[in-house]
Amino acid sequence: EVQLVESGGSLVQPGGSLRLSCAGSGFIFSDYHMNWVRQAPGKGLEWVAYMKRDGSAKYYLDSVKGRFTISRDNARNSLYLQMNSLRAEDTAVYYCVRDPVRGDGYNFDYWGQGTLVTVSS
Amino acid sequence: DIQMTQSPFSVSVSIGDRVTITCRASQDISSGLAWYQQKPGKAPKLLIYTASTLQTGVPSRFSGSGSGTDFTLTISSLQPEDFATYYCQQVNNFPLTFGGGTKVEIK
Repeated sequence: EVQLVESGGSLVQPGGSLRLSCAGSGFIFSDYHMNWVRQAPGKGLEWVAYMKRDGSAKYYLDSVKGRFTISRDNARNSLYLQMNSLRAEDTAVYYCVRDPVRGDGYNFDYWGQGTLVTVSS
Repeated sequence: DIQMTQSPFSVSVSIGDRVTITCRASQDISSGLAWYQQKPGKAPKLLIYTASTLQTGVPSRFSGSGSGTDFTLTISSLQPEDFATYYCQQVNNFPLTFGGGTKVEIK
């Protein structure tokens, strides 16, 4: 069974930093591209970052470029999101999401349960 | 960036009703569209990809159609477990973008 389990969310002050982690199991982690998608309280879905399975490509939402860094450790079946210079508008549930790599575009077939990041003083 | 616009914002329906949700892209995305279902407090679930292909395990009462800029998600006969919020997503270009969501509520 495919599982994605996020951790690391918490309350942080504006300007602070946080590192999210996602542990994948039940599939060959290194075969799949991975993403972070977030959802602010009561709002819709917003894609944040993408990383190719071999680490050769990364893409970011403009509003997080230069502040967030996506990374992965395929030996540990893990995905990370380093978040610096956090702002109130970054408050959201952050989901770790798998791309099925079907060659038909970038969509999301498995989602973690999410981890809540709250940016507030 | 490609903007995705869904309508309606919400719809009130009864069990057994047919429901149609539309999604419009700000530019031609061919068949590069996915649909997701999200229930309160849960992660989204992939329903349809490439505009009309049903994800494994998704009931056949769900269907998708369209290409280019205009797309439709149809639920042929609404079941109690279908009350949820539905999102479309363009899958072609970064930044990947979602529609604002359509909430399907009980009448």
